[in-house]
Amino acid sequence: DAGITQSPRHKVTETGTPVTLRCHQTENHRYMYWYRQDPGHGLRLIHYSYGVKDTDKGEVSDGYSVSRSKTEDFLLTLESATSSQTSVYFCATLAGDGQETQYFGPGTRLLVL
Amino acid sequence: RKEVEQDPGPFNVPEGATVAFNCTYSNSASQSFFWYRQDCRKEPKLLMSVYSSGNEDGRFTAQLNRASQYISLLIRDSKLSDSATYLCVVNRDDKIIFGKGTRLHILP
Repeated sequence: DAGITQSPRHKVTETGTPVTLRCHQTENHRYMYWYRQDPGHGLRLIHYSYGVKDTDKGEVSDGYSVSRSKTEDFLLTLESATSSQTSVYFCATLAGDGQETQYFGPGTRLLVL
Repeated sequence: RKEVEQDPGPFNVPEGATVAFNCTYSNSASQSFFWYRQDCRKEPKLLMSVYSSGNEDGRFTAQLNRASQYISLLIRDSKLSDSATYLCVVNRDDKIIFGKGTRLHILP
């Protein structure tokens, strides 16, 4: 258990509104990730971070932005939510330095109406 | 072709039976391999790493065949609590690639 929390755990919002999801970790892991999981697609990487202020795009980054101003926090922002962004969002961390196990947060269920 | 492929299942298996999952990966430069387990409406959790020499953890055995680029997971004496989705995961450089998972239902 890598002490990962996500907030909120559930959110309902309307199309066009901005949404920010927060991931917080207590283990000082270097790498942090945001995934979305949808039926038939499995886990898909949105963005990841390899250090404070160092981020990069994943395979489904359009419509999402991220920020990492502190080691422990990784924020995912949907600038203008769309119904296609209805999904379950998982944050994950990885320690680095040869440690290759990813640890996942409990997930955030987002419904965009 | 997806970089990591798994049979999506579902596998419906009676309790006590042995079940095997296979996973193939397309990039020979892949470096490390894992099986994760995901319960319904929960986050994925590491089940076990997979080594070339094969490794065992209780009822679970994982094998890696680098020449054929496939990974396997064997579950012996299956329990009702083994019902879950099993995800094959491959690491290559900084990339972590997940298969879509195989659903397993253990039947009483």
